[in-house]
Amino acid sequence: DQQVKQNSPSLSVQEGRISILNCDYTNSMFDYFLWYKKYPAEGPTFLISISSIKDKNEDGRFTVFLNKSAKHLSLHIVPSQPGDSAVYFCAASERDQGGKLIFGQGTELSVKP
Amino acid sequence: EPEVTQTPSHQVTQMGQEVILRCVPISNHLYFYWYRQILGQKVEFLVSFYNNEISEKSEIFDDQFSVERPDGSNFTLKIRSTKLEDSAMYFCASSDGLVQETQYFGPGTRLLVL
Repeated sequence: DQQVKQNSPSLSVQEGRISILNCDYTNSMFDYFLWYKKYPAEGPTFLISISSIKDKNEDGRFTVFLNKSAKHLSLHIVPSQPGDSAVYFCAASERDQGGKLIFGQGTELSVKP
Repeated sequence: EPEVTQTPSHQVTQMGQEVILRCVPISNHLYFYWYRQILGQKVEFLVSFYNNEISEKSEIFDDQFSVERPDGSNFTLKIRSTKLEDSAMYFCASSDGLVQETQYFGPGTRLLVL
C-alpha cells in the first residue's frame, strides 16, 4: 500500500535554518492531511493538519502546504531547533472510510546545533 | 492537557496465547482507533470504532482480533491467539469526530510474541 509516500528517509538541517519535509500521495479522494512527529518508544504527536479545500495552514513555526494538482504536501519548520529532531510522518484520510489514516514511511529529521 | 493512555507499556507473550491491550481515550472523544507499527515499517490502521460498533477495519483485522468498549472509559483490543507476526507496537487513538478530525495517539504498547 503506497498511497502515501515520503521519499526521503532522513534529513539533516542546521539549527535556525528551514526544514522542508515532503510527502506525495496517489489517492485523489484524500481530503484531509496531517503531520505527526514521533520520538522513539512514544506515540505519534499531532503537529498540524490541512483540509483539501486549503493550500496552506500555519501554526507558529510550522506551515503545511498542499498542492492538489501535484498530489504533494510539505511541512516547513522555521526556524529549526534541536528539539525538532524526530521522525515526521504525513498521514491522509478519505471521507467515508471510518476515519482511517494512511501513513507515509516517515522522515527522520536531525537538527544540528 | 488531556491525553490518551495505554496499558501495559510492554507485553511479552507466548505464541497462541490471548492478549488484551487497554486504552483510555480522551474523555470527551467518541471515536476510537487502533493502529500498529511493526519494527521498521509504516504505522498501519487496524480498526475504527464508534457507538459500540466497528466503523471500518483493515484486512489485517481478521477474526483473531476484536475490540470492545467495556465501560465508559476503556477501549480494548484483544488478540485471541497470537502469532509471531503480531509482534509490533500497538497504538490507540481517539478523536472528536470521524471526518477531518485530528486523531490523538497514546504512547503505545510494545507486544512481543515468542
